[in-house]
Amino acid sequence: KAGVTQTPRYLIKTRGQQVTLSCSPISGHRSVSWYQQTPGQGLQFLFEYFSETQRNKGNFPGRFSGRQFSNSRSEMNVSTLELGDSALYLCASSPKDYGYTFGSGTRLTVV
Amino acid sequence: AQTVTQSQPEMSVQEAETVTLSCTYDTSESDYYLFWYKQPPSRQMILVIRQEAYKQQNATENRFSVNFQKAAKSFSLKISDSQLGDAAMYFCAYRSAGRDDKIIFGKGTRLHILP
Repeated sequence: KAGVTQTPRYLIKTRGQQVTLSCSPISGHRSVSWYQQTPGQGLQFLFEYFSETQRNKGNFPGRFSGRQFSNSRSEMNVSTLELGDSALYLCASSPKDYGYTFGSGTRLTVV
Repeated sequence: AQTVTQSQPEMSVQEAETVTLSCTYDTSESDYYLFWYKQPPSRQMILVIRQEAYKQQNATENRFSVNFQKAAKSFSLKISDSQLGDAAMYFCAYRSAGRDDKIIFGKGTRLHILP
């Protein structure tokens, strides 16, 4: 059974650009969540999607957005990148009533 | 709002010894799940152990066990016979059993294994 797949693994972008990250959940998992991990702030919740609907949203500016497709694959987008957006972005999928299974993350560096 | 606190930013343990990582949480809910995740340098977050709040019996997974004290809102992780491969960042996490599927993580404890 394939795990959670995130692409790309590494990304370098320039301030002001936008970026799209992709996440393919485990087959059958309908819930996909995104987290931002930084050394200073730890793991911060971005948003959660279930059946193409955003169910939860963390305290991030509107520059951070996401969506989920009918096959449960999810994308997150960050527009007008800032240096502070440099982080490891983790995607996780989950069946109901269990813990997440995480992907390996996308390391975003904004220069 | 729920919070998860890990008071030990770093810990060290001698190989083959036992170590306990602390975690406390705050919630007004009665039904929830608690987890310990491990994140090695490879950065892959791995679920170590899971506890359902309504189960009084402490969860155990091989060398990993928890001490779940619901009234005290405490959820510590005990690693027995520590191995070099246990070196990682460990995160305690909380998830409501209700509709809100968001998982709340503590800041983590970095565990060093001394050979």
